[in-house]
Amino acid sequence: VQLVESGGGLVQPGGSLRLSCAASGFTFATYEMTWVRQAPGKGLEWVSYISNGGTSKYYADSVKGRFTISRDNANNSLYLQMNSLRAEDTATYYCARLFWTRTFDYWGQGILVTVSS
Amino acid sequence: DIQMTQSPSPLSASVGDRVTITCQASQDIRHHLNWYQQKPGKAPKLLIYDATNLETGVPSRFSGSGSGTDFTFTISTLRPEDVATYYCQHYDNLPPIFTFGPGTKVDIK
Repeated sequence: VQLVESGGGLVQPGGSLRLSCAASGFTFATYEMTWVRQAPGKGLEWVSYISNGGTSKYYADSVKGRFTISRDNANNSLYLQMNSLRAEDTATYYCARLFWTRTFDYWGQGILVTVSS
Repeated sequence: DIQMTQSPSPLSASVGDRVTITCQASQDIRHHLNWYQQKPGKAPKLLIYDATNLETGVPSRFSGSGSGTDFTFTISTLRPEDVATYYCQHYDNLPPIFTFGPGTKVDIK
């Protein structure tokens, strides 16, 4: 199992960024997926969830209405579209596979998003 | 919303010590509680699921107990490679919402 995030970087407040997560080593279409973030020196924060088929999506209150999770099962990819970015969105973003036990059993290496002028 | 608290933080102990971390939920969460280990610069790693179950491949010196609102994570004999931050994590099924505790940083005295 491998999860590889990309698309991070420096963006100005109010800007947008799209994160991608390339999955391999498992049948991507059968797993629910999530995004989890970690601000520098801080704890873990769950960001978003998507069902295996992509029809159910949930968000943390801190990103609701600004972030959109999606997936492309044909290409084994997970996405996070982040709009109206704020300084407090600065964090390392991890994609994580959700197992049936409701555990995050595999994680990517993380990608840093910095929101600053 | 359910809030998760952890104590102590930080925690300093000697090699060979028994280390105990507590996690408390603001309301009854039954057994819906997992534990993760995160080493500096690395992604978290699952250790315990559903409060008491050891993830495959995780050393048996790690264990978890509890249900309802009070949970405990124990390292029976602390080893140098256990230096890390440990997080409890609650999950709801409907809707699927996940809440992490603030973390407990464990280091060697």
